[in-house]
Amino acid sequence: GAVVSQHPSRVICKSGTSVKIECRSLDFQATTMFWYRQFPKQSLMLMATSNEGSKATYEQGVEKDKFLINHASLTLSTLTVTSAHPEDSSFYICSARQIQNNEQFFGPGTRLTVL
Amino acid sequence: AQSVTQLDSQVPVFEEAPVELRCNYSSSVSVYLFWYVQYPNQGLQLLLKYLSGSTLVKGINGFEAEFNKSQTSFHLRKPSVHISDTAEYFCAVSEGNFNKFYFGSGTKLNVKP
Repeated sequence: GAVVSQHPSRVICKSGTSVKIECRSLDFQATTMFWYRQFPKQSLMLMATSNEGSKATYEQGVEKDKFLINHASLTLSTLTVTSAHPEDSSFYICSARQIQNNEQFFGPGTRLTVL
Repeated sequence: AQSVTQLDSQVPVFEEAPVELRCNYSSSVSVYLFWYVQYPNQGLQLLLKYLSGSTLVKGINGFEAEFNKSQTSFHLRKPSVHISDTAEYFCAVSEGNFNKFYFGSGTKLNVKP
């Protein structure tokens, strides 16, 4: 089956620093990738839709200047949490939509802890 | 926007007993339905999906789900659970062409020996 990877799997950073998370589709091309956020003991909430070669579409309430998304190629999307604060600590999960059949495949997630 | 309801936040069950995890969604338009499992500190693993066709869908690990359009439900079932099934289960709905996914709040299945 299609595989989506995320890097890093875990990251701890100091408040005020920026953190970049990568999402890669390993064996398929994805014109569209999605970024989700999962708070402890809660469900996944869609943050933004990342489209290759164009600007990301953010969900209501998500700060686009804080969560920068770049979808530079058909296999890579990055999420940069800028000037991270402790309240940004969360589990970030990406998914990639396969071009051939539009199915979405989820990455293993990135645990971000901001001290 | 879609609304996905998983009424049971936690379901305790003994090993080898049957289990049903409930999921209801709000939309009356055509949707795609999914069940995912999440083990601690891991991402989502697809259990099964309903796209079209037979309303009874069989997935991995012995799970199955039934799509009921009139009741807008997609309940997940397993006739005999194992300890290894202990995890959190998420129901999800996608409208149209696999665009946005809307997730339920999750159900923690705790299988006891």
